[in-house]
Amino acid sequence: EAQVTQNPRYLITVTGKKLTVTCSQNMNHEYMSWYRQDPGLGLRQIYYSMNVEVTDKGDVPEGYKVSRKEKRNFPLILESPSPNQTSLYFCASSPYLSNTGELFFGEGSRLTVL
Amino acid sequence: GESVGLHLPTLSVQEGDNSIINCAYSNSASDYFIWYKQESGKGPQFIIDIRSNMDKRQGQRVTVLLNKTVKHLSLQIAATQPGDSAVYFCAALTWNAGNMLTFGGGTRLMVKP
Repeated sequence: EAQVTQNPRYLITVTGKKLTVTCSQNMNHEYMSWYRQDPGLGLRQIYYSMNVEVTDKGDVPEGYKVSRKEKRNFPLILESPSPNQTSLYFCASSPYLSNTGELFFGEGSRLTVL
Repeated sequence: GESVGLHLPTLSVQEGDNSIINCAYSNSASDYFIWYKQESGKGPQFIIDIRSNMDKRQGQRVTVLLNKTVKHLSLQIAATQPGDSAVYFCAALTWNAGNMLTFGGGTRLMVKP
């Protein structure tokens, strides 16, 4: 089944404790992206990647890192999480975003930073 | 920068009626406009898109209208069903901005039986 898989789906952590949210897609997509979703603010892009070893900042990259060593994986790293990073995170992928805006989203990862 | 907004946070319709969800955008250079549906506890799901050089596109029970003069986008759902209850997002894609996809805040559609 074609899908975008995120882990963990739910996580409660404490300020400063490094964490990684993994994202994997099995559709051989070039484009991958991370979004955070907050009430009243919609979906905001954190980082995106057009292909392997190519990553760029989105609207809200502060406090996050990403890597794209393989085509299928695009982990989101929070080196020192803070409470303002409590949010619902979505990973998404697309074969080629330059043609249309159709993204395939994961189920989301709800992160709480205490 | 781009901002994409929705006119109403919540829309309540009777089952079987038509629904119209509206969206305004700011960047006249946007190349594509997309509608997504997000059901509770799930990720957004693509519904339909429209290129900036079109003014109407139809799918199955859905129609998207684009008015570039007033920078307005709408999603029309015909014969709304309970399964249509969700939050709907519009988004704008701009190629010369690093293919950035900017989302609006979302409208919650509630379908009354």
